[in-house]
Amino acid sequence: RKEVEQDPGPFNVPEGATVAFNCTYSNSASQSFFWYRQDCRKEPKLLMSVYSSGNEDGRFTAQLNRASQYISLLIRDSKLSDSATYLCVVLGAGNTPLVFGKGTRLSVIA
Amino acid sequence: SAVISQKPSRDICQRGTSLTIQCQVDSQVTMMFWYRQQPGQSLTLIATANQGSEATYESGFVIDKFPISRPNLTFSTLTVSNMSPEDSSIYLCSAILAGTSGANVLTFGAGSRLTVL
Repeated sequence: RKEVEQDPGPFNVPEGATVAFNCTYSNSASQSFFWYRQDCRKEPKLLMSVYSSGNEDGRFTAQLNRASQYISLLIRDSKLSDSATYLCVVLGAGNTPLVFGKGTRLSVIA
Repeated sequence: SAVISQKPSRDICQRGTSLTIQCQVDSQVTMMFWYRQQPGQSLTLIATANQGSEATYESGFVIDKFPISRPNLTFSTLTVSNMSPEDSSIYLCSAILAGTSGANVLTFGAGSRLTVL
């Protein structure tokens, strides 16, 4: 089983739609979780951290389910500018490096 | 917020040659990280560059192939040696910097896109 797995997509959704991505991780000792956004031919940038209690930032909601070892990202009222690849990132315990998922591609269509 | 600059942004190289990528952070950082992102793949950590000591390489990456320098707390270089077409990739430099909210964020440079013919 890969350390971090994501559905690669692409997810093609109309403007205004709600879309959700899931990401599963294999290391139960993982401590920190993040969603990064990567635009085409650009570097990844932090979208939001994922907290145990779940967190919201505007149209974006991130949730963590430790029992099932997955995190999710919900985007409400999708905008054209949300089109990007969303990377799930997991930090293990101790000095293990961050592990990146392959990313989920989202295309928001007018 | 702090900025990470990389150069070259892209290059096309002949097999067998070597290329050195430079990374400059505009604030002092203890560790700098070098990642590779091959087409359609996730980011893979190559090594952690520590100032004043040798870099720490991840499984599958060796110093002879990817020598790293870290002469001070704001600068690092990654060399891709004796290149082959399989080395064609985006190489990204990163560091943990204070984000806009004050929390520490793994922040990337814009990347160096390498094509080996």
